[in-house]
Amino acid sequence: GQNIDQPTEMTATEGAIVQINCTYQTSGFNGLFWYQQHAGEAPTFLSYNVLDGLEEKGRFSSFLSRSKGYSYLLLKELQMKDSASYLCAVKDSNYQLIWGAGTKLIIKP
Amino acid sequence: GAVVSQHPSWVICKSGTSVKIECRSLDFQATTMFWYRQFPKQSLMLMATSNEGSKATYEQGVEKDKFLINHASLTLSTLTVTSAHPEDSSFYICSARMGNPSGANVLTFGAGSRLTVL
Repeated sequence: GQNIDQPTEMTATEGAIVQINCTYQTSGFNGLFWYQQHAGEAPTFLSYNVLDGLEEKGRFSSFLSRSKGYSYLLLKELQMKDSASYLCAVKDSNYQLIWGAGTKLIIKP
Repeated sequence: GAVVSQHPSWVICKSGTSVKIECRSLDFQATTMFWYRQFPKQSLMLMATSNEGSKATYEQGVEKDKFLINHASLTLSTLTVTSAHPEDSSFYICSARMGNPSGANVLTFGAGSRLTVL
């Protein structure tokens, strides 16, 4: 079956750096997405990786290794507003999105 | 950028009644829209894919007679929860994408509709 694993919850300190990992086993691969979802709100797009390597966008970076079925989202200079759930999603061979359960990130002062 | 409008944002209804949720793409045409359901502390669960001008494609385990989807135009899809029961209480989110599925197309989500069935 298809599966996406990410930690359920993480805690970090304001101003620090945190890395949220995502591993996947899917039938084919056509890209990996990271979305941010604040409590009670809809997800918003953060990043997209289809080739191996690091994609940097401001304080957020996303890394992909297709051979390892692994990605991470790196958040730098954490701010309180970064407290949210971070969803990893993979597009499979049928171009269907498979969603992870999300990682709840708690930022402490 | 692409904007998807969804309403109502929240609704409370009595058991046995039907509730309609609308999803509109405001500045682009969406031939395909997606309906998700999300229970507390869980991930998004795809319910169905709504295709303009044709029948929706439902995911396994989703009752098509209970969750009626209509995609009447390129900018509007509706989800009707028929004869709602308390177990249908959830956060319903629609989304749409621009372009074809093989591209790096980002989903744009509506704000979601929180349904509470008493």
